[in-house]
Amino acid sequence: GAVVSQHPSWVICKSGTSVKIECRSLDFQATTMFWYRQFPKQSLMLMATSNEGSKATYEQGVEKDKFLINHASLTLSTLTVTSAHPEDSSFYICSAISGRVETQYFGPGTRLLVL
Amino acid sequence: AQSVTQPDIHITVSEGASLELRCNYSYGATPYLFWYVQSPGQGLQLLLKYFSGDTLVQGIKGFEAEFKRSQSSFNLRKPSVHWSDAAEYFCAVGPSGGTASKLTFGTGTRLQVTL
Repeated sequence: GAVVSQHPSWVICKSGTSVKIECRSLDFQATTMFWYRQFPKQSLMLMATSNEGSKATYEQGVEKDKFLINHASLTLSTLTVTSAHPEDSSFYICSAISGRVETQYFGPGTRLLVL
Repeated sequence: AQSVTQPDIHITVSEGASLELRCNYSYGATPYLFWYVQSPGQGLQLLLKYFSGDTLVQGIKGFEAEFKRSQSSFNLRKPSVHWSDAAEYFCAVGPSGGTASKLTFGTGTRLQVTL
């Protein structure tokens, strides 16, 4: 099956620093990747949609200057949380689809804690 | 706008008992419907999906779901629950006619299995 990985799985950082999270499709080419945020005991909220080679499309209310997304290749998308603050602490999950494949495959998630 | 409601936040069943998790959706046309499972600290794994055709869908791990248009429901069922089924279950809806983008997730149902 389609496998999506994320790195790191855990990150703790100081307030004001930037953190980069990688999302990779290991055995397929992902034309589109998605970034979600999940608060404890809550559902997933779509943050942005990332298409290879083009700018990401952000959902309403998501600050694009704070959450920088780069989808430079068909197997890699990165999410950079710039100048992180404690309220950015969350579980970030990426997913990927390939072409018209009608299923999103999810990564294992990255837990971010900003002190 | 599409929306998903999972009325049950938490369900406890005994191992070997049957299970039904409820999901109601709101969408203007026939949507794509999904059930995902999330183990603690993990990403989401697809259990099953409905796009069209037979309204009773079989998935992995012995799960099935039935699409009922008249009730706008897509309930997940399993005849005999195993202790390893304890996890968080998410119902999701996506727009029909294309790839599985723009998924909207319900708030999830946490399943606890007692021995």
